Amino acid sequence: GAGVSQSPSNKVTEKGKDVELRCDPISGHTALYWYRQSLGQGLEFLIYFQGNSAPDKSGLPSDRFSAERTGGSVSTLTIQRTQQEDSAVYLCASSLRTGGSYEQYFGPGTRLTVT
Amino acid sequence: AQSVSQHNHHVILSEAASLELGCNYSYGGTVNLFWYVQYPGQHLQLLLKYFSGDPLVKGIKGFEAEFIKSKFSFNLRKPSVQWSDTAEYFCAVNGDNQGGKLIFGQGTELSVKP
Repeated sequence: GAGVSQSPSNKVTEKGKDVELRCDPISGHTALYWYRQSLGQGLEFLIYFQGNSAPDKSGLPSDRFSAERTGGSVSTLTIQRTQQEDSAVYLCASSLRTGGSYEQYFGPGTRLTVT
Repeated sequence: AQSVSQHNHHVILSEAASLELGCNYSYGGTVNLFWYVQYPGQHLQLLLKYFSGDPLVKGIKGFEAEFIKSKFSFNLRKPSVQWSDTAEYFCAVNGDNQGGKLIFGQGTELSVKP
């Protein structure tokens, strides 16, 4: 079975532009998470979705960041007016359900570089 | 707020040496604890996890970790490392009222010399 996939694998953008990052979770997984991995900040939680419940957005660093999950499957993370500090690897993970007992499976990440 | 601290940023060992990577967390409630590993060029993958029961948990590839509640620690160990263990290791915590979100430590880069 396919794992979590993310696209694009690399994205270079100019400061001030908007970017969209896509995540395809494992089929049947109802929970989907976004994390960010950057030098100096390590791995940070951004947002998670569980079924039809309201997402937990507590990790989003600013209102320039938003995410949606359509049809309970694919998710898109959008960063508006990108800044250089947004440069990082954005990781998506999915699990059968939320809750610590459910293993999160990570995708390969999207490396975002803001010039 | 929850936080996770990994004491070693970069560890260099020779093959067959023993390994212990430290992890401490701060959280007032019940926790689920994890170690993830990221091999060069690969995805993050789960090494082992603790939810309840025996505080000594065994994972893949001969790794184990011990949860010591009184010390808020979850150290990772392996008696004899191999060159193929070269990777970055992340400790993570999930609190009992945190949904599924993981709070990660800064990571420890392990380099094993053949």
